[in-house]
This record gives sequence, structure tokens and C-alpha cells, in this order.
Amino acid sequence: DSGVTQTPKHLITATGQRVTLRCSPRSGDLSVYWYQQSLDQGLQFLIQYYNGEERAKGNILERFSAQQFPDLHSELNLSSLELGDSALYFCASSVDLSGRAYNEQFFGPGTRLTVL
Amino acid sequence: AQSVAQPEDQVNVAEGNPLTVKCTYSVSGNPYLFWYVQYPNRGLQFLLKYITGDNLVKGSYGFEAEFNKSQTSFHLKKPSALVSDSALYFCAVGSNDYKLSFGAGTTVTVRA
Repeated sequence: DSGVTQTPKHLITATGQRVTLRCSPRSGDLSVYWYQQSLDQGLQFLIQYYNGEERAKGNILERFSAQQFPDLHSELNLSSLELGDSALYFCASSVDLSGRAYNEQFFGPGTRLTVL
Repeated sequence: AQSVAQPEDQVNVAEGNPLTVKCTYSVSGNPYLFWYVQYPNRGLQFLLKYITGDNLVKGSYGFEAEFNKSQTSFHLKKPSALVSDSALYFCAVGSNDYKLSFGAGTTVTVRA
């Protein structure tokens, strides 16, 4: 158990809908990362938050957004869902106390999103 | 831009034999290199990392990796593989831009 929790575990929804994925980082970790894992694209970095502020952006679609709250939990919002958004979404956290990028990340169990 | 290549989709070895999973990277500046393992229906687990210092890095479960700057490689090794090492292995590279780029993954199968 990495100490990172994600809810829900599974989500089935229809095209055009909006969903929210939730992540609680390990106690003491300031950074939260979101990744998308699919068979055709592999593991793709979406976005990182550090202590409530957006720090880095990867291949995140404009239909997707995220935020990190004062208690450091994070939410990933996916809207106008398409069939191609079906994937496993991982949250990871790391300490990053020094602000450097070289701390290992601890991954949650993921949320499997199915868009029908 | 940074990238990682894992040239082998699959690696098959017999239990007790040495295991090597290959990784090459491309990055501007000094690389931060990581290996992660993913078991079915689970999140990724950290194995080891190279930031600076000794080129040979030792990690969890008997794994080690060697950083080779001239060949831009960071191959993962285990002297004697176990059936329980069968999983999906990811190499990742980061730099000072806070983004981590993952390779496509290598499926390791260790047969008894």
C-alpha cells in the first residue's frame, strides 16, 4: 500500500458527461501528479500540483482540469467525455520539500474510467 | 523535450537466470532516472532512482541499475530472477522542469 488513495475505483459513464476523480496524497507529500494510462498511448503525464499551485503541465486536454485543495487532496475533472477518454487514471504524490523534481513518486491504485 | 525508449516489449527468462530490462533516454540537462514496476490491476511501485553519484544504483527486491552517460542508458538488472518478478516495468526520465516521461513499458515473464 503506497499510502495514496483514489476514489472511485471504477467509473462507467456516457459520452458527453462530466466526472470527477479524487486523490488523497501520502501524509506529508506536497506534490500531486495525474497520469493517464491507456493501451495505445501508454502512461502519459497530465499535470502536477505543488502545495496548491499548478507546477507543470503535460498532455492534458482542455476538457480536463485539476486542482489541489488546502488539505492537499486533488481532483481531476474530465468533461465532455469521449470514447477515447476511457483509460486508467493514476494519481501519484511525492515529498518535493526542496522543490526539486527528483523525488520518487508514490502511485495510487488508479481509477478505471469507461466511457460508453 | 525528453523521452525514454524501452526497446523490448517483452523479456522472457527462466527463474534463476539473470534479468536485464533495457532503457535509453534523451533529456536536456542532467537526467533524473527511475524504474517502476506495475503488477496487474495495481499502481506503479518505485524500484530505484539515479540522481547523481555512483553509476550503479541498488534498489528494492534485489534490483539494480547502471547509469551510462555516454550511452544514455539506464538498464535494470537482477542477478537471479524469480517468478514473482513477472510484471510490467517502466523506465522514466525527469529533469528540472518537473515532468516525468515514461517509456512504453517492458513486460517481464519469468518461467519456473
